[in-house]
Amino acid sequence: QVQLQESGPGLVKPSQTLSLTCTVSGGSIRNDQYYWTWIRQPAGKGLEWIGRVHGSGYTDYHLSLGSRVTLSVDISKNQFFLELKSISAADAAVYYCAREGTTEVAGRTHRYYMDFWGKGTTVTVSS
Amino acid sequence: QSVLTQPPSVSGAPGQRVTISCTGSSSNIGSHYDVHWYQQLPGAAPRLLIFGDTNRPSGVPDRFSGSTSGTSASLAITGLQAGDEAHYFCQSYDSSLGGSRVFGGGTKLTVL
Repeated sequence: QVQLQESGPGLVKPSQTLSLTCTVSGGSIRNDQYYWTWIRQPAGKGLEWIGRVHGSGYTDYHLSLGSRVTLSVDISKNQFFLELKSISAADAAVYYCAREGTTEVAGRTHRYYMDFWGKGTTVTVSS
Repeated sequence: QSVLTQPPSVSGAPGQRVTISCTGSSSNIGSHYDVHWYQQLPGAAPRLLIFGDTNRPSGVPDRFSGSTSGTSASLAITGLQAGDEAHYFCQSYDSSLGGSRVFGGGTKLTVL
């Protein structure tokens, strides 16, 4: 069973950079079949996809975050990372890491769903 | 404002059937991109409930089912139980947003 665990500072000052780590166990980030994603959820609100990274280093990001976000991986540690620059109050949220799955059912390939999630880490933005 | 639209809340009595709608557009559900559903119990991380419109991961009871039609999708829950009280989110892929994964705003299910 794949497990993911987020870690990082719970409090970040405005304008600083948020750095989070997701540690994966029970499966390898090196597996070509999967992507590794970050999703956030502001208090009392819905989910927002931040982006995804592949074990090869390939990345996709949400357009609204633009150049503020960088995702990366460390295959040797089975970890992947989120960096979000120029933090503001709007970035306060619970941040989840998750695995983006893909599978074939009855000859049709299904993609872009998150099948395993971490428990989430709360990020507060305050000076 | 979410790209996919869900009702804020639905409710039903134990044993009843409820449905949760998810309305998108021609750049996501209407383009036949998969719709996925997640259940989020209070204080917990989301859990995959349905993937690829209609498929249940191992361990998800067959009381939960998904369907799509045109630019909309629905999640049906039969035989409602107290433990089903949670938030439910739909998710798809949107080609007009650079390939972003998009979510609905979430629906709170209350079991009366």
